[in-house]
Amino acid sequence: RKEVEQDPGPFNVPEGATVAFNCTYSNSASQSFFWYRQDCRKEPKLLMSVYSSGNEDGRFTAQLNRASQYISLLIRDSKLSDSATYLCVVLIYNTDKLIFGTGTRLQVFP
Amino acid sequence: DVKVTQSSRYLVKRTGEKVFLECVQDMDHENMFWYRQDPGLGLRLIYFSYDVKMKEKGDIPEGYSVSREKKERFSLILESASTNQTSMYLCASSLDTGGYGYTFGSGTRLTVV
Repeated sequence: RKEVEQDPGPFNVPEGATVAFNCTYSNSASQSFFWYRQDCRKEPKLLMSVYSSGNEDGRFTAQLNRASQYISLLIRDSKLSDSATYLCVVLIYNTDKLIFGTGTRLQVFP
Repeated sequence: DVKVTQSSRYLVKRTGEKVFLECVQDMDHENMFWYRQDPGLGLRLIYFSYDVKMKEKGDIPEGYSVSREKKERFSLILESASTNQTSMYLCASSLDTGGYGYTFGSGTRLTVV
């Protein structure tokens, strides 16, 4: 079983739609959680950290459920420029290594 | 902004060649990492380093080695390239531990023929 699992998609949504991605992690010692964005043929870039209380950054909302070992990312009012692959990333307690999910691809169409 | 520079964007090498992938960061970061990214497998950690001359194996170190002689430079070495090492290689650096502030280089797409 992969340590971090994501639905690969693709999610094809029209502009203006709301879309949600989920991610599950298997290691209960996971300490920190992140969403990264990766554009086609580019490097991953940090989108946002994920906190237990939930956090919002503009149109993006991230949630963490430690009991269920589940992370989510909600994108409201999707833009064409949101088209990318979204990587769920976990840091295991007492290590300094990030574990990456394989990513969920989002395609926003006009 | 931190800049992480990988020396080559695309590289084609022959089976059995010794290959060097170079990575340089300009922000005095302690930590540096090498990942490879393959379709359906995501990013997998090959090696990492928290200090000069220090190295630790990641999840898939077989067939690779690394060198960190200076703080800003972290090299990945393929001792004898094989076709199954055809991949996208990504270098990253970070100031501190805890997963925050990872910056990736733009990647090297290596093809071994």
